[in-house]
Amino acid sequence: KNQVEQSPQSLIILEGKNCTLQCNYTVSPFSNLRWYKQDTGRGPVSLTIMTFSENTKSNGRYTATLDADTKQSSLHITASQLSDSASYICVVRVVRWGKLQFGAGTQVVVTP
Amino acid sequence: IAGITQAPTSQILAAGRRMTLRCTQDMRHNAMYWYRQDLGLGLRLIHYSNTAGTTGKGEVPDGYSVSRANTDDFPLTLASAVPSQTSVYFCASSGLAGAGEQFFGPGTRLTVL
Repeated sequence: KNQVEQSPQSLIILEGKNCTLQCNYTVSPFSNLRWYKQDTGRGPVSLTIMTFSENTKSNGRYTATLDADTKQSSLHITASQLSDSASYICVVRVVRWGKLQFGAGTQVVVTP
Repeated sequence: IAGITQAPTSQILAAGRRMTLRCTQDMRHNAMYWYRQDLGLGLRLIHYSNTAGTTGKGEVPDGYSVSRANTDDFPLTLASAVPSQTSVYFCASSGLAGAGEQFFGPGTRLTVL
């Protein structure tokens, strides 16, 4: 079973609307959590990183939240643009070995 | 432009053939990684190298080998390709092994028939 679960698997939103993606993890002990954006046919690019003590981190219209107690993170996209169409991947780093655990991603499609 | 390059961009390969995927980075990063990405699954680590001259096995190493003769290059070899190795392969690098952001290449789409 994947230790990083993302939901929904995919979603379609209208341009200008907001959306929230979810990430639940069971990785322990936890070091940090990153959200990556992967455009079609490209490699993933980091959007945000949060450590255990951080609750919120923003990068432009992207805002990530973290609840380390419940092991949940979310990525909120505000005022979506066509360029936001991509897969968003939640990645958790395990403390001891520095190993990364990847979620399967949420495919976001923004339509005009 | 600094970053990671991969070659080829895509390849169709007959089963049983040998294939080497190339990866080069110019960021002088110590650590490099190879992942495969399959539909519905998260990226899975194949092999990694913490520094030039050393390599290690990841989560799914069977059927793959790597070498790290210098800092910049980290080729991935499939000695005898099988259809289950059809996937998109990503090379990544980070300044420190086990820490810091990993920077990914554009990927190689490999189809084994």
